[in-house]
Amino acid sequence: GAVVSQHPSRVICKSGTSVKIECRSLDFQATTMFWYRQFPKQSLMLMATSNEGSKATYEQGVEKDKFLINHASLTLSTLTVTSAHPEDSSFYICSAPTGTGWWSQETQYFGPGTRLLVL
Amino acid sequence: GIQVEQSPPDLILQEGANSTLRCNFSDSVNNLQWFHQNPWGQLINLFYIPSGTKQNGRLSATTVATERYSLLYISSSQTTDSGVYFCAGHAGGTSYGKLTFGQGTILTVHP
Repeated sequence: GAVVSQHPSRVICKSGTSVKIECRSLDFQATTMFWYRQFPKQSLMLMATSNEGSKATYEQGVEKDKFLINHASLTLSTLTVTSAHPEDSSFYICSAPTGTGWWSQETQYFGPGTRLLVL
Repeated sequence: GIQVEQSPPDLILQEGANSTLRCNFSDSVNNLQWFHQNPWGQLINLFYIPSGTKQNGRLSATTVATERYSLLYISSSQTTDSGVYFCAGHAGGTSYGKLTFGQGTILTVHP
């Protein structure tokens, strides 16, 4: 299957600092990637859709100025948590669909996730 | 958007037992996937199954699209099957690619 990587796997930062998380599709190109957040013992919630060559689209309730997304190439999307606070501590996961065909028929593959702890 | 309900929320089994996990959708879905989240958080693709039946080793899945539900069967369970099982789908159209996840089923398999 397709491989999606994330870096770093975990990060601890002080409140007020910014943290950048990278998501890469290793063996396929992805014009679109998705960013999810998962709190402990909860399900995954979609945060935003990352689009190569255009602005990201955010789900309702997600602050676009706080969670900056840049889709720099067909294999790389980055999520920057700006001015992080303890309530931003969570597990962040990216995903990418394979292929360039009809969206609804594409399997999505997920990265291993990044655990963010803001002190 | 669509709503996804999974049942049961928790399941405890002895090694070797069989189990069935269920996923109900509030509306028709064009994309339906089952995932296993391991203890390190990695989501592992199990099945892409918008309709029909598929099997992979001890696991199989069936989706009845007209009745908006999907079932995941685990036979002869092993301790390594423990973890959280999620189903997810999207309705296509403007929500294409945006998976909505169920709350998951926490499976614990005891030796």
